[in-house]
Amino acid sequence: GAVVSQHPSRVICKSGTSVKIECRSLDFQATTMFWYRQFPKKSLMLMATSNEGSKATYEQGVEKDKFLINHASLTLSTLTVTSAHPEDSSFYICSASAGLAGETQYFGPGTRLLVL
Amino acid sequence: SQKIEQNSEALNIQEGKTATLTCNYTNYSPAYLQWYRQDPGRGPVFLLLIRENEKEKRKERLKVTFDTTLKQSLFHITASQPADSATYLCARPRDRWRNRDDKIIFGKGTRLHILP
Repeated sequence: GAVVSQHPSRVICKSGTSVKIECRSLDFQATTMFWYRQFPKKSLMLMATSNEGSKATYEQGVEKDKFLINHASLTLSTLTVTSAHPEDSSFYICSASAGLAGETQYFGPGTRLLVL
Repeated sequence: SQKIEQNSEALNIQEGKTATLTCNYTNYSPAYLQWYRQDPGRGPVFLLLIRENEKEKRKERLKVTFDTTLKQSLFHITASQPADSATYLCARPRDRWRNRDDKIIFGKGTRLHILP
C-alpha cells in the first residue's frame, strides 16, 4: 500500500514554456502533499506544502507565481513550472501524507525536468 | 534551530558486515524519527519509524535505535549486500501537535556503498 505516482517521469522542454507535473496517491487519501526539488548529490529541498482545497504554503525563496501548485483532491496535486528557464532544470519529487501521528511521507518516483 | 545531522556523507562497508549509520538531533526532542532509503534518480522510500519511547525497532535485516540521552538514532543493516547500496536519510517528521506550521526536517543523508 501507500503508493504515490508521478507523471511524467522525465520531460524536456524549451525555455519559456510551462510544464505540469502530476502527483497522485493511488491507494490512500493524502491530506497533505509536499513538493521537493533536488539537485545532484544534494539533499531534498522542500518547496511547498499543500493541503487539499486550500492554498499551498511556499518555503522562503520559492516563487509562488513561478511554481504553481494545485491540490484539487485528496489524491491529486499538480506542480506547474511556468515560463521555465534552464536554471529550473532539476529533479522534482512529490510526497503525500495521510496526516497520521509520526506522519510518514510516501514519495513519488520523481520527475526529471530539463529546460533547453 | 532544530537540526538533523548525519555526519557521515559516505560509508563503505564490506559485504556481509553490519553497516551502522548515525543520526543526531539538536535543539529539539522529537517524538518520532524516520529512516528513508533513496536510490539515484528515484524518490525516497520509507523504511522505518521509531517513537521516542521505543528503544529499538526491527524490520528484517534493518534495526533502528532511539537514544534520547545521546540525542541519537542508529540505523543498522546486518548481513549487508551490494543491493543495500543507496543513500539513507534520517528525518524528523512534522509535529503539528506542538507546532501547527511545523515542517519535516531531513538529514543530508549518508551514501552507503556495500563492497562485494
